[in-house]
Amino acid sequence: TQLLEQSPQFLSIQEGENLTVYCNSSSVFSSLQWYRQEPGEGPVLLVTVVTGGEVKKLKRLTFQFGDARKDSSLHITAAQPGDTGLYLCAGAYDMRFGAGTRLTVKP
Amino acid sequence: GAGVSQSPSNKVTEKGKDVELRCDPISGHTALYWYRQRLGQGLEFLIYFQGNSAPDKSGLPSDRFSAERTGESVSTLTIQRTQQEDSAVYLCASSAKRYSPLHFGNGTRLTVT
Repeated sequence: TQLLEQSPQFLSIQEGENLTVYCNSSSVFSSLQWYRQEPGEGPVLLVTVVTGGEVKKLKRLTFQFGDARKDSSLHITAAQPGDTGLYLCAGAYDMRFGAGTRLTVKP
Repeated sequence: GAGVSQSPSNKVTEKGKDVELRCDPISGHTALYWYRQRLGQGLEFLIYFQGNSAPDKSGLPSDRFSAERTGESVSTLTIQRTQQEDSAVYLCASSAKRYSPLHFGNGTRLTVT
């Protein structure tokens, strides 16, 4: 089992601010997935990163996979209230999830 | 259906009773996962089915928990002699194959009184 640590656990910011959340492990991942979960719903896939050093952009969200494929980050530019949710990362090998970062964006 | 369907959406049961939760995956998806999510927390892996292979049961927290899957279709998660600490949302997810992105249902919220 590949253990994933996510930080910070909680993040509360004002609309328009930038933020970065992290997903770290001591293990190497073949690929890693990021999901967002809104209240009362199941998580929804945001992106899969596969190659070390890879950067993927999804509108205001930028995902990076570490060169050694042991860590990943998610950066949100100019956060909006609609970005509020639980952000989860999971290693594709065994689909175990980190504990998540609970983001609240205040208008 | 177009997505993963879970039933019931809510279940209230008395301590000591057995409950059965159902998951209908996306048609053709060979992989199926069950997770438990306690209030305000992340996803705890319970069990994984892949085609006709033996399931990975390493996440089941006790022998009161069991799950079955018929071929590549419906799965049921059974909790016997429920305890208050079993109260949580139980999420099911399916994927086209191992390592593919997961598609989640909206979960069953279980409350044990």
